[in-house]
Amino acid sequence: QIQLVQSGPELKKPGESLKISCKASGYTFTDYAMQWVKQAPGKGLQYMGWINTQTGKPTYADDFKERFVFSLETSASTAYLQINNLKNEDTATYFCARADAWGQGASVTVSS
Amino acid sequence: DIQMTQSPSVLSASVGDRVTLNCKASQNINKYLNWYQQKLGEAPKLLIYNTNNLQTGIPSRFSGSGSGTDYTLTISSLQPEDVATYFCFQHNSWPTFGAGTKLELK
Repeated sequence: QIQLVQSGPELKKPGESLKISCKASGYTFTDYAMQWVKQAPGKGLQYMGWINTQTGKPTYADDFKERFVFSLETSASTAYLQINNLKNEDTATYFCARADAWGQGASVTVSS
Repeated sequence: DIQMTQSPSVLSASVGDRVTLNCKASQNINKYLNWYQQKLGEAPKLLIYNTNNLQTGIPSRFSGSGSGTDYTLTISSLQPEDVATYFCFQHNSWPTFGAGTKLELK
């Protein structure tokens, strides 16, 4: 069955960087774009953008153009979300997703 | 960006009730509207895609309808396991989510 398995929780300090992984299985990785969604604690869902898994071309929402990087390791059917220069407001759960399947979420806490 | 407005923000209903959740787009989204269910501490789950198509494995008590700017998710007979927050999501243009409707048991 289709599965998206994300990396574990992260606790970071402001200014640090992190990289979240999302490993896909049960389908051909390059057949579907990978989307990223942010959910701050107790809040709704915010669409961050997607990466074309055939070309590697990322597309970012306006709020995520500065410090956020989508990337791929196609040979490993894995997508990555890197966040640079972390800020307190980056504290959230980050989901990778196809339209019809979501990762379990990766919890990120940014605190000094 | 297209704004998605969900109503009500909180809905209390009893087991067996017919429940209707609403989602209004700020412009025509041509039926490119999905509904997701998110239970506490879990990832969202796709229920309905493109307005009225039931995702595989989703109980038939869930249905969707709508066109233009106005869309509805209906649960024909509410079950205890349906307690969750429900989000609409448009993918006609730059994708956007509604703020969600929290469904509680009365």
